[in-house]
Amino acid sequence: RKEVEQDPGPFNVPEGATVAFNCTYSNSASQSFFWYRQDCRKEPKLLMSVYSSGNEDGRFTAQLNRASQYISLLIRDSKLSDSATYLCVVDQETSGSRLTFGEGTQLTVNP
Amino acid sequence: NAGVTQTPKFRILKIGQSMTLQCTQDMNHNYMYWYRQDPGMGLKLIYYSVGAGITDKGEVPNGYNVSRSTTEDFPLRLELAAPSQTSVYFCASSYFETQYFGPGTRLLVL
Repeated sequence: RKEVEQDPGPFNVPEGATVAFNCTYSNSASQSFFWYRQDCRKEPKLLMSVYSSGNEDGRFTAQLNRASQYISLLIRDSKLSDSATYLCVVDQETSGSRLTFGEGTQLTVNP
Repeated sequence: NAGVTQTPKFRILKIGQSMTLQCTQDMNHNYMYWYRQDPGMGLKLIYYSVGAGITDKGEVPNGYNVSRSTTEDFPLRLELAAPSQTSVYFCASSYFETQYFGPGTRLLVL
């Protein structure tokens, strides 16, 4: 079983749509969770951290379910600029030194 | 601040050649990392460092070496390039949870 597993994608949605990405992780001792965004042929950049209580940043909402070892990212009112690959990332340690990346889910938002 | 810089941006190597991928950060971060990303795949950790003089293996260290003589620099060395090392290499640094990535080096081994 992969340590971090994401929806395979790709997702193609129209502008204004709501899209949800799912991710599961295998190590129940994992401490921290993140969503990174990676544009085509560019480096990954932190989109948002994921907290147990859930957190929201504008049109983006992240949820964590520790019991199910499940992480989600919801994007509302999709924009063309949201087109990218979204990486689910899990930190196995408290120091932030051992991130494990999912393979990513590609999103294309169409006009 | 320039953040994390990597050189070169692109390189073609012949099988058996060696090269060093350079990585420098100006954020005074203690933690630095090297990842590789194959097409359509996630990032795999090659080596990491928690401070000057300290390095440790990641998930896929075979065929690579690193050193960390200063806080700023974390070069990655390929001694005998193989076609399986064709990939995009990302360097990153972090202070706590957030990792900041360089723009990457695209390496093609023929």
